[in-house]
Amino acid sequence: AQSVTQLDSQVPVFEEAPVELRCNYSSSVSVYLFWYVQYPNQGLQLLLKYLSGSTLVKSINGFEAEFNKSQTSFHLRKPSVHISDTAEYFCAVSDVSGGYQKVTFGIGTKLQVIP
Amino acid sequence: DAGVTQSPTHLIKTRGQQVTLRCSPKSGHDTVSWYQQALGQGPQFIFQYYEEEERQRGNFPDRFSGHQFPNYSSELNVNALLLGDSALYLCASSFQGLAGELFFGEGSRLTVL
Repeated sequence: AQSVTQLDSQVPVFEEAPVELRCNYSSSVSVYLFWYVQYPNQGLQLLLKYLSGSTLVKSINGFEAEFNKSQTSFHLRKPSVHISDTAEYFCAVSDVSGGYQKVTFGIGTKLQVIP
Repeated sequence: DAGVTQSPTHLIKTRGQQVTLRCSPKSGHDTVSWYQQALGQGPQFIFQYYEEEERQRGNFPDRFSGHQFPNYSSELNVNALLLGDSALYLCASSFQGLAGELFFGEGSRLTVL
């Protein structure tokens, strides 16, 4: 079985400061890793994903995450946050081995950007 | 290009009743997954439909059932509602070939009184 642990339920940070949202996963097989973002009163949207290849993946709005197999982590970072980044962020893992993939989500981290 | 649409957006039921939630996937997608998101929690996987069959199921009782139609749309049915079933129910669509990349609707908010 696979699982995801997001260590921080809430992260307050001042505007233009850097931020890191932590994610650790557990799986007995190779995985795909994802970060999804949920803005208030909206569904989840894919922010970025790691499938294979380079362990550093980036989104179009300045977020990046690095897959660390030895530490089973996939932390999300941004060097300078904006007010518009205020949202809830979910780390997710997908089991590669199954023919029909199930995506398992963490409990989420609420990012609050303070003006 | 319409994204994932869900109906109804909000509904209120009483304990013991039954509810049906509906989902139309994003154009071109053939797989539908349903998730339950309780307040303050991450989405919990209920089940996944592909080619009109349930392919995977999470840790939910048989009171939760579903269906997928030939046009790929899907329904989630919950029988004998409990207070604990109150949650946001999210539908996500995908294409079988794209590993785990889900497109979500805005959800159906179910309140059980």
